[in-house]
Amino acid sequence: SQQGEEDPQALSIQEGENATMNCSYKTSINNLQWYRQNSGRGLVHLILIRSNEREKHSGRLRVTLDTSKKSSSLLITASRAADTASYFCATMVEELIFGTGTRLQVFP
Amino acid sequence: DTAVSQTPKYLVTQMGNDKSIKCEQNLGHDTMYWYKQDSKKFLKIMFSYNNKELIINETVPNRFSPKSPDKAHLNLHINSLELGDSAVYFCASSTTGYYGYTFGSGTRLTVV
Repeated sequence: SQQGEEDPQALSIQEGENATMNCSYKTSINNLQWYRQNSGRGLVHLILIRSNEREKHSGRLRVTLDTSKKSSSLLITASRAADTASYFCATMVEELIFGTGTRLQVFP
Repeated sequence: DTAVSQTPKYLVTQMGNDKSIKCEQNLGHDTMYWYKQDSKKFLKIMFSYNNKELIINETVPNRFSPKSPDKAHLNLHINSLELGDSAVYFCASSTTGYYGYTFGSGTRLTVV
């Protein structure tokens, strides 16, 4: 079974808008990571947030982590058509376990 | 280029055949992994391996076996292929102290 469930399953927005994806997980974790997967390609590591951190930024990405609620969110600001991809959260305990993914479509 | 590379990119084969997928990383990472992504995009870890320990996901059939000739390679051998083995298989690697994984571009296996 998946460790993480992501919400929404799919998201469509216009260029320039912000995109928010949520991830919920089941067990205590060491860290949580977000990955992007373009269609037909491998996964690319975007950002890592440790269990003792609450928020982290990287360029247009903002990640939050609430360990009491076992949830995380990924915010992509000022989205671009090139952001169109599937986004996965992944939780690290002994190994990296992936969530179900959110398909993001950004229209020009 | 520094990367995780997998071959072949596409593999179409008949039920019952035995096949291998190769993976190589030149990143100097000490741990390698195999993941399976099904048609619904669910990613499931199959194996993790470093030079000390092989960890097998208990749900993986024993028809699947990882083989590591050295630290930079982790090949996946599959015996007696079944229709349900059709999926995209990803190799990944990581290094102690940094928890981000680097993924290969995947091998799409189709069993007919």
